Order: sequence, then C-alpha cells, then structure tokens
Amino acid sequence: DTGVSQDPRHKITKRGQNVTFRCDPISEHNRLYWYRQTLGQGPEFLTYFQNEAQLEKSRLLSDRFSAERPKGSFSTLEIQRTEQGDSAMYLCASSLFGVNYGYTFGSGTRLTVV
Amino acid sequence: DQQVKQNSPSLSVQEGRISILNCDYTNSMFDYFLWYKKYPAEGPTFLISISSIKDKNEDGRFTVFLNKSAKHLSLHIVPSQPGDSAVYFCAASEGTGANNLFFGTGTRLTVIP
Repeated sequence: DTGVSQDPRHKITKRGQNVTFRCDPISEHNRLYWYRQTLGQGPEFLTYFQNEAQLEKSRLLSDRFSAERPKGSFSTLEIQRTEQGDSAMYLCASSLFGVNYGYTFGSGTRLTVV
Repeated sequence: DQQVKQNSPSLSVQEGRISILNCDYTNSMFDYFLWYKKYPAEGPTFLISISSIKDKNEDGRFTVFLNKSAKHLSLHIVPSQPGDSAVYFCAASEGTGANNLFFGTGTRLTVIP
C-alpha cells in the first residue's frame, strides 16, 4: 500500500485554462475527499465521495469545479476557466470509517495560476 | 467565518521540554476533535483525536486535553524532539460519522536541539 497518490505534484497554468488533477486513494478506502489549502490557512473541505457517489459539496465548489470518481476508485478534480484565486494546494484524502481515525491525506497538487 | 482557531502561528521549544499547542472553536455542535501534523511537501498526517465524551486522550508522548465549557483544546508533547518540528493543525467535526473536517490555520512548532 503506497498511501494516497496525487498527480501532478505541481501545475502552473495560465488564467482561463482548464486543469485536471488525479487522486488515487488507498485501495480499501471507500471514502474520498478533496480539500483546498491556501497560504496561511488550514485545509478547507470541497467535496466527498462514498464509492462512486458524490454525497456532499461545499459552497466553495463553484460551478467551475467538477469532481468525479468513476467506479469508486480514483478521482479527478477539474477546474475550468481557472482564475488567480484558484491558486492553492489541492489535497485529496481517503478513509474507511469517516473521521473516526482521521483521514489519510496525499501530498497534494500545488496549482499556480498566472 | 473561522470556526476553529489557532491563535499562535508559531512556537519554539527546547528539546526535552513540553510543547503546548492550543486550539479554540466556536461551533458548539463540534464533538470530535483531531490533531494533524504536516511536514513540508507532504500532506497532513493524523496524530491523535478526542471525543467530546472525554476530557483527555493520551498516546505516547502526545496528550490532547478538551475543555468543552471553554471550547478549548490543547495538544501536549512531552518530551519534545527535533523531529516534532512541523506545522500542527487542529480540526473538528460534528460527530464521528461526519465526513468533513473544519481545520484551524495551524501552528508551526520548532523544537530546538
């Protein structure tokens, strides 16, 4: 088990471009989460999947953001028409039993919009 | 609106001494609290948690204390070691079955050898 993997580690994109990030959770974990962390802040919840179903979305997840988890395995987070305010670290986490024992986070994808 | 607050952005402690990291929360519906540790270029790592039915939970060198009436929790690390140098995040949720966490802004701990 290699933990939660995120790809890419870094992404620099021009404003207005679309970007897509991938997260591979721990294989036996059925829950997958996306968080966003901006400089000087703690992670903020974006969305959550149980298996392939997206069960909760934060109001932070504007209509430019879409997340999928086909087949309940890996997940993708797409940001359309990126803005400079989207620059942040995007963290993926997975778990088996909700928050009881904490999530396992990946190392994140750092997005810079120029 | 920051529902979980860590008012000390940084803390320096001598090796071998006690480190005390503090966290306050405003939402009275929070009943499960966690501490995460984060090293540079890595994701946060779960450290220790506490349910609101307890006021203390201990795991090795790490102890978390919860004061529900004051809406305050603290993480004690004793003795502190240089490898403990990291950013520590406090997090809270509404119930252990909840699926989203509310994080504080973090405290950077530096343990001086």
